[in-house]
Amino acid sequence: DVKVTQSSRYLVKRTGEKVFLECVQDMDHENMFWYRQDPGLGLRLIYFSYDVKMKEKGDIPEGYSVSREKKERFSLILESASTNQTSMYLCASTARTGAYEQYFGPGTRLTVT
Amino acid sequence: DQQVKQNSPSLSVQEGRISILNCDYTNSMFDYFLWYKKYPAEGPTFLISISSIKDKNEDGRFTVFLNKSAKHLSLHIVPSQPGDSAVYFCAASEWAGGTSYGKLTFGQGTILTVHP
Repeated sequence: DVKVTQSSRYLVKRTGEKVFLECVQDMDHENMFWYRQDPGLGLRLIYFSYDVKMKEKGDIPEGYSVSREKKERFSLILESASTNQTSMYLCASTARTGAYEQYFGPGTRLTVT
Repeated sequence: DQQVKQNSPSLSVQEGRISILNCDYTNSMFDYFLWYKKYPAEGPTFLISISSIKDKNEDGRFTVFLNKSAKHLSLHIVPSQPGDSAVYFCAASEWAGGTSYGKLTFGQGTILTVHP
């Protein structure tokens, strides 16, 4: 069974704080993804990584950065949190080639006040 | 530019009846389509998928239909059960190899409520 875990289920931060969201997968997957989910907007891709130290922007990368120092771990960083970054953040992973199905973590509900 | 659209935000169905969830897409390069189910406070879980070379795929109570000419897919749940109440997302992908890296483009989601 693929397992994707996220460091926190709920997080409350203040405007301007630096926020780290951690994701770990145990299936040796090459590709990892960060999404945010907002009502009426579905899941939108923020960043993804296809290898250690490699990253690509998704559809809404502004205000975010990522880090992938180890294959199993993918971090999302909010450099200076703002209230419009209040959202559900979802991490996912998939194998490199020929794999479409992504496996998701349970999500982190982030509230920025 | 929403390349995958689910135009019905919600759907309410009686237990035992058929649920039909719809999804439209605009990108003709999409060649694989998936449906995910999401309960509150949980991550999405994969439900069923279909390749563009097929027009139907069935898995138990769940069937996905693909109409490539209309760029439309639908998910049928028969019979619907109260435990099916969740948010359903359709997603689309270009070829998972190469430089796409298996990126998925998601629709907005449809909230399905199945009443006992």
